[in-house]
Amino acid sequence: NAGVTQTPKFQVLKTGQSMTLQCAQDMNHEYMSWYRQDPGMGLRLIHYSVGAGITDQGEVPNGYNVSRSTTEDFPLRLLSAAPSQTSVYFCASTQLAGGPGTDTQYFGPGTRLTVL
Amino acid sequence: EDQVTQSPEALRLQEGESSSLNCSYTVSGLRGLFWYRQDPGKGPEFLFTLYSAGEEKEKERLKATLTKKESFLHITAPKPEDSATYLCAGYRGGSEKLVFGKGTKLTVNP
Repeated sequence: NAGVTQTPKFQVLKTGQSMTLQCAQDMNHEYMSWYRQDPGMGLRLIHYSVGAGITDQGEVPNGYNVSRSTTEDFPLRLLSAAPSQTSVYFCASTQLAGGPGTDTQYFGPGTRLTVL
Repeated sequence: EDQVTQSPEALRLQEGESSSLNCSYTVSGLRGLFWYRQDPGKGPEFLFTLYSAGEEKEKERLKATLTKKESFLHITAPKPEDSATYLCAGYRGGSEKLVFGKGTKLTVNP
């Protein structure tokens, strides 16, 4: 049982380049989400999905796209990288409304992205 | 607007010196409150979910409690390996969006 996996672990981009951060979970959770974590800012929600084919924006969605074609995978796309997108990105897989005592959230190991 | 505030931002303890971390929230219709531990360079690790005022959960030296306005993470006789950043997050009924606090960085000196 791998939990939540993310690739790559590290990435350096030049301004204007695009890339996709991969996230996969094997817990059959419906709810998945992407966060970015910056010093002093805490975890901020970028996009989330409540199931295959359903996505919605979080707190800081600009410059990012997501899609959810399967329950397992939830990739995050950076359309045209900017230095302001330098951050650590975490994917999370969450079980909510599974009943009292069953709500849980698991994070991946993170992707450290630098945009030059 | 839903908010979660953690205090203090940083806490230094001596090994064996018990203390508490605070997570105050203004989340209308709170359904649950999560606690996590995050080590440097890693993703947050789930610890507990609390659902109702008066509820308590324990794991080793950690005990989390919940009131109608805040949650506490009590650390009893901490060890250096308990050093980490502790995060809390709340969510309301009918919403899948978790609202995170900025965390408390705990350092336990031997």
